[in-house]
Amino acid sequence: AQSVTQPDIHITVSEGASLELRCNYSYGATPYLFWYVQSPGQGLQLLLKYFSGDTLVQGIKGFEAEFKRSQSSFNLRKPSVHWSDAAEYFCAVGASSSNTGKLIFGQGTTLQVKP
Amino acid sequence: GAVVSQHPSRVICKSGTSVKIECRSLDFQATTMFWYRQFPKKSLMLMATSNEGSKATYEQGVEKDKFLINHASLTLSTLTVTSAHPEDSSFYICSARQLSGELFFGEGSRLTVL
Repeated sequence: AQSVTQPDIHITVSEGASLELRCNYSYGATPYLFWYVQSPGQGLQLLLKYFSGDTLVQGIKGFEAEFKRSQSSFNLRKPSVHWSDAAEYFCAVGASSSNTGKLIFGQGTTLQVKP
Repeated sequence: GAVVSQHPSRVICKSGTSVKIECRSLDFQATTMFWYRQFPKKSLMLMATSNEGSKATYEQGVEKDKFLINHASLTLSTLTVTSAHPEDSSFYICSARQLSGELFFGEGSRLTVL
């Protein structure tokens, strides 16, 4: 069955420190992978996505993610975290790049940023 | 970027009443929209796929008669929670798909049933 796992429910980092949020997926075919961010009481904003090609994907707000097929992972990274990055982060997998909205989401990781 | 708007953003209703939530794509046409439900501190769960001009496709375990979905135009889908009960209290989020395939999410609607 298709699934997405975000092992870390809650992460706290200091402002200016680097960040890595983990995401592992289980999917039978070629996965289409997404990272979304959600601020409290808000909808989701797409940070980045991977469909094919270069396995290192650049996104908005200085985020990047690397697709590693051998590890079934799509970890999100940022070199230097800002206080405004505090939010909920969701990894998701979709069936196809252009013919789906049926995303399977991970449980989410709450990011707290210390001053 | 494209904008998807949900209304109302917050609604409180009495048990037994029905509540309608609207999802609008403001600057593009969306033949397909999706409705998700999010419980506190939990992930998003896809409830149904809303197709313009046809019946919605519900995910397994979602009650069709409880959560009525109508997609009457290319820019509007509505979710009606019928005979709402406290357990229906949740954050409901819609997404709309552009022709390119890109998805845009609404801001969400928080339903509280007393």
